[in-house]
Amino acid sequence: DTEVTQTPKHLVMGMTNKKSLKCEQHMGHRAMYWYKQKAKKPPELMFVYSYEKLSINESVPSRFSPECPNSSLLNLHLHALQPEDSALYLCASSHEAPSEQYFGPGTRLTVT
Amino acid sequence: QKEVEQNSGPLSVPEGAIASLNCTYSDRVSQSFFWYRQYSGKSPELIMSIYSNGDKEDGRFTAQLNKASQYVSLLIRDSQPSDSATYLCAVNQAGTALIFGKGTTLSVSS
Repeated sequence: DTEVTQTPKHLVMGMTNKKSLKCEQHMGHRAMYWYKQKAKKPPELMFVYSYEKLSINESVPSRFSPECPNSSLLNLHLHALQPEDSALYLCASSHEAPSEQYFGPGTRLTVT
Repeated sequence: QKEVEQNSGPLSVPEGAIASLNCTYSDRVSQSFFWYRQYSGKSPELIMSIYSNGDKEDGRFTAQLNKASQYVSLLIRDSQPSDSATYLCAVNQAGTALIFGKGTTLSVSS
């Protein structure tokens, strides 16, 4: 089973809202990732968690706050976003960083 | 600056033909190489991984790696309209994150 699940599928939020994106995998993978993807661009790495510890933060603005409660779950907390943050947010996992990564279906975020 | 280069396309092939997608990378110590397929509005799907020089075949897909030339390719035999998608090449070395190319859009006409 190579399934990564993400909720919600779609999210519309205002610039003053606080929301969270959730990601879950049950493949026993020890590395989990958040990517941001704009239209017609490749995925852009935001964060990497390895063994539940943040190992890479690609200079992401503090309005994005990741959290890894356990080895199966990854959250992305959103606060005071800007319209330019509207994108597809992808979660991925791999056995270890950075081997074969499996992506979830993504959350389509629109910031109004 | 580590880079992965792909022709953006679109690459257009007729149904039943062989589609050839190419990727070059700049970091000579890269160790792992992946091809992802992404349909419009969907997330990337891993279709091939290759780690050593030579060819690796999986059904209609063949990945080819030449580390000396820093070149990896994906061949799709008997192309089908359902293969129409963007194909992303991704490369990594141990201990670092994947680096994605910008993707090649493939269009298979029936």
